Amino acid sequence: GAVVSQHPSRVICKSGTSVKIECRSLDFQATTMFWYRQFPKQSLMLMATSNEGSKATYEQGVEKDKFLINHASLTLSTLTVTSAHPEDSSFYICSARDPRGRGFEKLFFGSGTQLSVL
Amino acid sequence: GIQVEQSPPDLILQEGANSTLRCNFSDSVNNLQWFHQNPWGQLINLFYIPSGTKQNGRLSATTVATERYSLLYISSSQTTDSGVYFCAVPNAGGTSYGKLTFGQGTILTVHP
Repeated sequence: GAVVSQHPSRVICKSGTSVKIECRSLDFQATTMFWYRQFPKQSLMLMATSNEGSKATYEQGVEKDKFLINHASLTLSTLTVTSAHPEDSSFYICSARDPRGRGFEKLFFGSGTQLSVL
Repeated sequence: GIQVEQSPPDLILQEGANSTLRCNFSDSVNNLQWFHQNPWGQLINLFYIPSGTKQNGRLSATTVATERYSLLYISSSQTTDSGVYFCAVPNAGGTSYGKLTFGQGTILTVHP
């Protein structure tokens, strides 16, 4: 079945550095991918929609310059947390929809990336 | 935007017990999904259920769209059922199949 792969699963970095997270669709092409953020014991919040070949669209309140999204191919979207600070520490999850599915049926999530900024 | 409320927030069960999780939403939706997030963070899509009832093994779900709620039933619970259960609906006005609003989740703990 369709799988969305996300790497790395865990990253620890120093404050001020940038971190890149990759999201790949393994057996389908995804023109659109989605990035969510989840704080401990809380729900998932949509951050942005990644569009292949065009700019990402960000949800209200999400800093575009802080969270850079690049969707350079039909199977890869990257989220770069620039100049990371401790408040950026969170669990980041990507998702992608298999276009062969009907509506929301084939929406798959990556396994998430736990970012810890020291 | 649309509001999604789940209850109960926490649920502790003995293995073998049955349970019902509830999801209320504030506006009409054309889709509702139930997810299980395991202790390692992986989200698994359990049901795509905009209306009606579906069953998959020990799990079943019912959505009454006209009354804006959905129920997830877990029968004969097992320790592997532990984790967080989320329901999610499309963002208000969303046309992209993937922009979801999640409820706050129900944390389920099943003891042996």
